[in-house]
Amino acid sequence: GQNIDQPTEMTATEGAIVQINCTYQTSGFNGLFWYQQHAGEAPTFLSYNVLDGLEEKGRFSSFLSRSKGYSYLLLKELQMKDSASYLCAPMDSNYQLIWGAGTKLIIKP
Amino acid sequence: GAVVSQHPSRVICKSGTSVKIECRSLDFQATTMFWYRQFPKKSLMLMATSNEGSKATYEQGVEKDKFLINHASLTLSTLTVTSAHPEDSSFYICSARALGGGHTDTQYFGPGTRLTVL
Repeated sequence: GQNIDQPTEMTATEGAIVQINCTYQTSGFNGLFWYQQHAGEAPTFLSYNVLDGLEEKGRFSSFLSRSKGYSYLLLKELQMKDSASYLCAPMDSNYQLIWGAGTKLIIKP
Repeated sequence: GAVVSQHPSRVICKSGTSVKIECRSLDFQATTMFWYRQFPKKSLMLMATSNEGSKATYEQGVEKDKFLINHASLTLSTLTVTSAHPEDSSFYICSARALGGGHTDTQYFGPGTRLTVL
């Protein structure tokens, strides 16, 4: 079967760094996406990894290890507006995104 | 770039009526659009995949006669919830897949439509 494992909830302090881990199992693999979703809003695209390694984009970085079925999203210099759910979504062999419930990140002052 | 609009953002209707939701890719062409629904604190559930000029592919358990999808052009897909009932109340979100450039296969989401059926 296909599944995604992410922590349900994480708490971090404003200005700090947080790493959100994701392990996945899919039928085939065509890359992995990270999305941010604020409560009551639609997801917004953050990053896409298809090869192993780290992709950096401003305060956000995403890492992928295909052999381990593992990815993480690293958020630096946390701001209050980063409080949201973060969705790890691998793409399977049919180019369909597989969705889990995501990780709710709570930022405290 | 890669902006997707959705209209309306919020709709309240009576049970038994039909509701049409539009999804447009504003600055790119999308041969494939996706329709999702999401219940509070739950993950996104794919309802159907819509390809321009062909019939939509529905996920298991989704009634195609109840959720009518039309993908008439490379920038527009519509979802019509027919004879809506209170259990259809949900957050409906469309996404469009951009082709080419640096974001091949990336799905960009519309802002969503919150449907409440009384």
